[in-house]
Amino acid sequence: NAGVMQNPRHLVRRRGQEARLRCSPMKGHSHVYWYRQLPEEGLKFMVYLQKENIIDESGMPKERFSAEFPKEGPSILRIQQVVRGDSAAYFCASSPGSQEQYFGPGTRLTVT
Amino acid sequence: GIQVEQSPPDLILQEGANSTLRCNFSDSVNNLQWFHQNPWGQLINLFYIPSGTKQNGRLSATTVATERYSLLYISSSQTTDSGVYFCAVEGRGGGSNYKLTFGKGTLLTVNP
Repeated sequence: NAGVMQNPRHLVRRRGQEARLRCSPMKGHSHVYWYRQLPEEGLKFMVYLQKENIIDESGMPKERFSAEFPKEGPSILRIQQVVRGDSAAYFCASSPGSQEQYFGPGTRLTVT
Repeated sequence: GIQVEQSPPDLILQEGANSTLRCNFSDSVNNLQWFHQNPWGQLINLFYIPSGTKQNGRLSATTVATERYSLLYISSSQTTDSGVYFCAVEGRGGGSNYKLTFGKGTLLTVNP
């Protein structure tokens, strides 16, 4: 049973470009979570999704950030018009319900 | 929201030594997880332990939910145990459901 898959593992974007981060949950998991790890802030919750629904986006910045988990395909975290402060490690996690969350390897975004 | 405090923030050991890491949390929890973030940045699930005691090889964990703390024990430490250990909790209600709130971690260095 493959774990949580994230791609790309490393992403470099120039200021103003768009970043798209992908997450495929573990087989049988319908709950997806995104977290961000900033150097001085630790790991913070961003958004919680189930298939085709955003359940809780209280941790996501109001502007430039969006997330989706379509009926088919991976979950996508999209950052528009990236700025240097968006440089961070973005982790996706999945769970079968309100239970143990399993984390992917992360995508390290660098904005130049 | 729920607060999570980990201690000590840093710990240096000689190979073969034992250690105890502590996690205090400010409110009742549905879930508690311990993670190891290795030097490559990957988050490895160690324990899912909202209450009770579990053991896995040289590692064990105990959560006393009524007193709002959890302990992670590492015995006969090895250099590969180096990295950051995170405690994360899912609070009960009040907007804390589903999302994991992370402590700031304990940075463990095991010297040969």
